[in-house]
Amino acid sequence: EVQLVESGGGLVKPGGSLRLSCAASGFIISNAWVNWVRQAPGKGLEWVGRIKSKTDDGTVDYAAPVEGRFTISRDDSKNTLYLDMNSLKTEDTALYYCATPTTEMDVWGQGTTVTVSS
Amino acid sequence: YELTQPSSVSVSPGQTARIPCSGDVLTKRYVRWFRQKPGQAPVLIIYKDSERPSGIPERISGSSSGTTVTLTISGAQIEDEADYYCYSATDHFIFGGGTKLTVL
Repeated sequence: EVQLVESGGGLVKPGGSLRLSCAASGFIISNAWVNWVRQAPGKGLEWVGRIKSKTDDGTVDYAAPVEGRFTISRDDSKNTLYLDMNSLKTEDTALYYCATPTTEMDVWGQGTTVTVSS
Repeated sequence: YELTQPSSVSVSPGQTARIPCSGDVLTKRYVRWFRQKPGQAPVLIIYKDSERPSGIPERISGSSSGTTVTLTISGAQIEDEADYYCYSATDHFIFGGGTKLTVL
């Protein structure tokens, strides 16, 4: 079964850091384009960033609100993607999802919650 | 938001609800639709503009015309009250702002 599972969320103080993981099963994550998406409480879905497949040079792009603070990386040996979040702000509080588009139904994880609060 | 949806739609029970999602990119890219009820995770109800995942009833359908894709809920029921989001995949995921469907 093709699946993505996020982990690593938690409570962190403003200015702090956190690393989220996105573990893939049933497919090779380096062959996929993978997006990070978040949903703040009571708000809509917001694209955070994306890493392209290895064959597409693994290019990474970020949304403006997180550019320079968030970093997406991949560990092929663990078939896992990471989102490193630094200089966290209260407005980064959200449920974070990783997701990959397919030619049929996209694959989404169940999400992991990040709360930035003092 | 790169895709445009109305913020709210209201219908009476049994009526047909239509929620449009528009964007120039939609002439070249498929749209997916999520339904999200309060406190719950989004659930995919339409992909490739008009395909339904298993378990989604036939009264939920999608159609496409030019730069607009429309989610149609026939015979709307109280249980259909939710937020509906459209999104597409270009160079990255792009989203609509969501539409709150009220059935009353």
